Amino acid sequence: DAGVIQSPRHEVTEMGQEVTLRCKPISGHDYLFWYRQTMMRGLELLIYFNNNVPIDDSGMPEDRFSAKMPNASFSTLKIQPSEPRDSAVYFCASSLVEGQPQHFGDGTRLSIL
Amino acid sequence: RKEVEQDPGPFNVPEGATVAFNCTYSNSASQSFFWYRQDCRKEPKLLMSVYSSGNEDGRFTAQLNRASQYISLLIRDSKLSDSATYLCVVNMGNTGNQFYFGTGTSLTVIP
Repeated sequence: DAGVIQSPRHEVTEMGQEVTLRCKPISGHDYLFWYRQTMMRGLELLIYFNNNVPIDDSGMPEDRFSAKMPNASFSTLKIQPSEPRDSAVYFCASSLVEGQPQHFGDGTRLSIL
Repeated sequence: RKEVEQDPGPFNVPEGATVAFNCTYSNSASQSFFWYRQDCRKEPKLLMSVYSSGNEDGRFTAQLNRASQYISLLIRDSKLSDSATYLCVVNMGNTGNQFYFGTGTSLTVIP
């Protein structure tokens, strides 16, 4: 079975540019999560969806960040405009039901110069 | 106070040793608890769930102490392949999906 699929694996771009991260959850999983991981702050939940609907976006750092889930098999996290402090590893995860362990994708390693 | 706190380590132990990690959490109403393992430059992977009665999976034992609000992970007979960062995860949400991750405890098993 395919796990959570994220793209790109690595992204290097200059500050001010728009960045779009993509995620395909495990088929049949109703919950999708976006996380950001840094050395200083560890793993932080940014937003999560249930059945394509955003449920909690309180972790989204500011208006420059937005996330969408147009259908059950695809989600995007967009940063516009990007800043050097956005450099981190961004993970997407999915789970079958509420409260159950999440399965993570390989992550996108983002560097903003 | 952070929602979930772990000793970052590093823990450097010889092969065959027993090592234990603790993790404390702030919300007494927390509902579920997990240990994840993360290898360098990889994604977190579920190691085991933690149940009130405690649970064991081979060389790994997880325990929950609700009164003191901590969970623990015990690794017996450490292997070189156990070297990783271990993340404590607590679900604190009334809605069932407020997962908080600890910053992780680094373990290196030495030959």
